[in-house]
Amino acid sequence: NAGVTQTPKFRILKIGQSMTLQCAQDMNHNYMYWYRQDPGMGLKLIYYSVGAGITDKGEVPNGYNVSRSTTEDFPLRLELAAPSQTSVYFCASSYIGGSNEQFFGPGTRLTVL
Amino acid sequence: AQSVTQPDIHITVSEGASLELRCNYSYGATPYLFWYVQSPGQGLQLLLKYFSGDTLVQGIKGFEAEFKRSQSSFNLRKPSVHWSDAAEYFCAVGAGGYQKVTFGTGTKLQVIP
Repeated sequence: NAGVTQTPKFRILKIGQSMTLQCAQDMNHNYMYWYRQDPGMGLKLIYYSVGAGITDKGEVPNGYNVSRSTTEDFPLRLELAAPSQTSVYFCASSYIGGSNEQFFGPGTRLTVL
Repeated sequence: AQSVTQPDIHITVSEGASLELRCNYSYGATPYLFWYVQSPGQGLQLLLKYFSGDTLVQGIKGFEAEFKRSQSSFNLRKPSVHWSDAAEYFCAVGAGGYQKVTFGTGTKLQVIP
């Protein structure tokens, strides 16, 4: 099993550009999450999904959108990138009935200039 | 609302010395508690978790943690630190299932020879 995979690993965007961060998991987990990590701030939840077709906002959803058309994939869309979105983005997944132990991807480092 | 405090931003220990990383949480019921480790440039990996039973839990890489309800603490310990333990450590609290998991701001561990 590959676990949770994320692409790209690194990306530089110009202000106002858009992009999609890809996330996929092959563990048949129903729950998936997007976090951003900023130095000294821990992880902040952007969006989460409890299954295909169901998504909800986390703590810091502004400037982002998500969709979940399949169990495996949970892409994060940035519209009109801003310098404040410079961060490391992590995707995670977990399974129904568990303790919500989350399995993390390797992250995408995004810089907006 | 649930919260997690990791009072130490940065800790330096000598290789072979013992280690204790502090974590205090705020949660209304019996929490699910986690410790994750993040090596540089990597995603988070679960070290151990607690949600019931024995309050002393063993994890991977020789780590253990003790749940103390009276002190609202879940401190991480290791009797003898190795250079490869240098990383950032995150404590987290959740309610299980798909309920939100809240992460602390992390403690960066430096190991000196």
